[in-house]
Amino acid sequence: GAGVSQSPRYKVAKRGQDVALRCDPISGHVSLFWYQQALGQGPEFLTYFQNEAQLDKSGLPSDRFFAERPEGSVSTLKIQRTQQEDSAVYLCASSLASFQTSGNTIYFGEGSWLTVV
Amino acid sequence: GIQVEQSPPDLILQEGANSTLRCNFSDSVNNLQWFHQNPWGQLINLFYIPSGTKQNGRLSATTVATERYSLLYISSSQTTDSGVYFCAVDGGGATNKLIFGTGTLLAVQP
Repeated sequence: GAGVSQSPRYKVAKRGQDVALRCDPISGHVSLFWYQQALGQGPEFLTYFQNEAQLDKSGLPSDRFFAERPEGSVSTLKIQRTQQEDSAVYLCASSLASFQTSGNTIYFGEGSWLTVV
Repeated sequence: GIQVEQSPPDLILQEGANSTLRCNFSDSVNNLQWFHQNPWGQLINLFYIPSGTKQNGRLSATTVATERYSLLYISSSQTTDSGVYFCAVDGGGATNKLIFGTGTLLAVQP
């Protein structure tokens, strides 16, 4: 597709349930990011991939959060044993190269809205 | 870590008015971007502007890196400009993560 695609768009999970959120980046984009956005806040960094390598996972809030990008394209963010504080929008973004390249543009998906009840 | 603050926190304009949004950051940066998040949640990149001035239609941005601030100008505002405007900077060093500011919520009334 022309943009970053995320699924599901909306997910309601019962507390304790595992969820998996999928991201299809723009074809050919090397860099892929996951961000978490709570209501009324700015996005907060979770993790970064360069191709299939997860180079930065410093933003993952706990070991219940896991992300992968096994073939360097599609990525999945998995949250185990969901808790109410996990309720947020999860945004995926991609860019052609790393930010160290001047003028690089980052493209965001529409997000996956997760509500934990 | 680096701090990013934006002002004003919210702004109401009449259609056709001009506005200036400000972003202050606490340390030197290699990457600064402005984003617009529309009411449906879609984040759109407006400018990549670690320094200097750029213009795109009714929008322009200026970053004064030595004084650690950036300004986003919106001229002749339209209702479609409504949403949240975020400034984001790189986290420093070799990191590729963006640190987002607190945002400015803009409402343009017809």
